[in-house]
Amino acid sequence: DGGITQSPKYLFRKEGQNVTLSCEQNLNHDAMYWYRQDPGQGLRLIYYSQIVNDFQKGDIAEGYSVSREKKESFPLTVTSAQKNPTAFYLCASSISGTGISSYGYTFGSGTRLTVV
Amino acid sequence: GDSVTQMEGPVTLSEEAFLTINCTYTATGYPSLFWYVQYPGEGLQLLLKATKADDKGSNKGFEATYRKETTSFHLEKGSVQVSDSAVYFCALKDTGNQFYFGTGTSLTVIP
Repeated sequence: DGGITQSPKYLFRKEGQNVTLSCEQNLNHDAMYWYRQDPGQGLRLIYYSQIVNDFQKGDIAEGYSVSREKKESFPLTVTSAQKNPTAFYLCASSISGTGISSYGYTFGSGTRLTVV
Repeated sequence: GDSVTQMEGPVTLSEEAFLTINCTYTATGYPSLFWYVQYPGEGLQLLLKATKADDKGSNKGFEATYRKETTSFHLEKGSVQVSDSAVYFCALKDTGNQFYFGTGTSLTVIP
């Protein structure tokens, strides 16, 4: 079955470390997204990518980096510059292009990152 | 800019009660509207959608009607179950394919 796989499900980071969250999709979707979710709050967009080798900053990109070398993969690195990284991270994908606004996002199951 | 506003939670209902979660939107053009559901510790799942005015989306007993005149997309269910306990997100996708999410409404259904 097609879908999005995020790994790991739980991740612990020490102060000053960089960590990378994996997101892989086999839906043949062009666009991929990273969101951050804090307890009791909505989703905030970190980065998104509409095509391979191109990505854009979202609303809270500081302290994060991404790459999009393959259509299927959109890893997110949480750098030591991110001062409050403890959160639930969600990856999503969608069909891209004009005239397809009726298609929604497909989400992964999330990665919970905790700073220890 | 485009935005979505949904009712504040948390909402607590008894089993078999009627559910309404309000959602209003601001958008230029003709957006598509969505409801997503998030169960504890999981990602978001698409619950239903509507792509044009007066469309009704429905799934698993949930319904929402795209009302352009009131810019609303309220989620309703006639009889909730304990298994419906989750966080519900209203979302808008504009004609430029940008998504805007509401802040989520937590629903707890008690037996």
